[in-house]
Amino acid sequence: QKEVEQNSGPLSVPEGAIASLNCTYSDRGSQSFFWYRQYSGKSPELIMFIYSNGDKEDGRFTAQLNKASQYVSLLIRDSQPSDSATYLCAVNLVDTGFQKLVFGTGTRLLVSP
Amino acid sequence: EPEVTQTPSHQVTQMGQEVILRCVPISNHLYFYWYRQILGQKVEFLVSFYNNEISEKSEIFDDQFSVERPDGSNFTLKIRSTKLEDSAMYFCASSPTGANVLTFGAGSRLTVL
Repeated sequence: QKEVEQNSGPLSVPEGAIASLNCTYSDRGSQSFFWYRQYSGKSPELIMFIYSNGDKEDGRFTAQLNKASQYVSLLIRDSQPSDSATYLCAVNLVDTGFQKLVFGTGTRLLVSP
Repeated sequence: EPEVTQTPSHQVTQMGQEVILRCVPISNHLYFYWYRQILGQKVEFLVSFYNNEISEKSEIFDDQFSVERPDGSNFTLKIRSTKLEDSAMYFCASSPTGANVLTFGAGSRLTVL
């Protein structure tokens, strides 16, 4: 069973701090990695995707991918209370083609003012 | 900003009844998906649809489920005989390519009594 693992949290950080969210995946052949944000009772909203090893930055968000360690992370700089949500890591599994994402259970982030 | 529209937002039905959930994907998107999320659990893939046919489906998507694109704009999920365990939030999503950069709709909450 190919899995995506995340710490469920909650991860609590003060406003202005860096929040670091982590995700590991079991399928070494996975090629595409996504971070979604989900507010309570709402649908997932894409934050970033990353395909290559290394860092990818978009505003306050940085995604980091290490395929050798099967590890992907999301850094949120200058965290704001509005960033409080559940962050879902999702991985495209290569043996299913490019048509299916497997989601982790999500990490709940709480940013306190 | 273009969005994926889902109706109804909430449906309550009796066990054994048929349910149809409707979605209008973003107009220039070519790939369509249904995912579901049981309360408190992870987002799970059900089915992907491309070029008027199912391209992939999960083990959850058994014979009681079907999808259809009846008129070139709507994308529907039918559950023929609902079970208690079908109670969940059902998300429709679409993407312009098969790269899984998904835009999710707001979801349809299904409650089976």
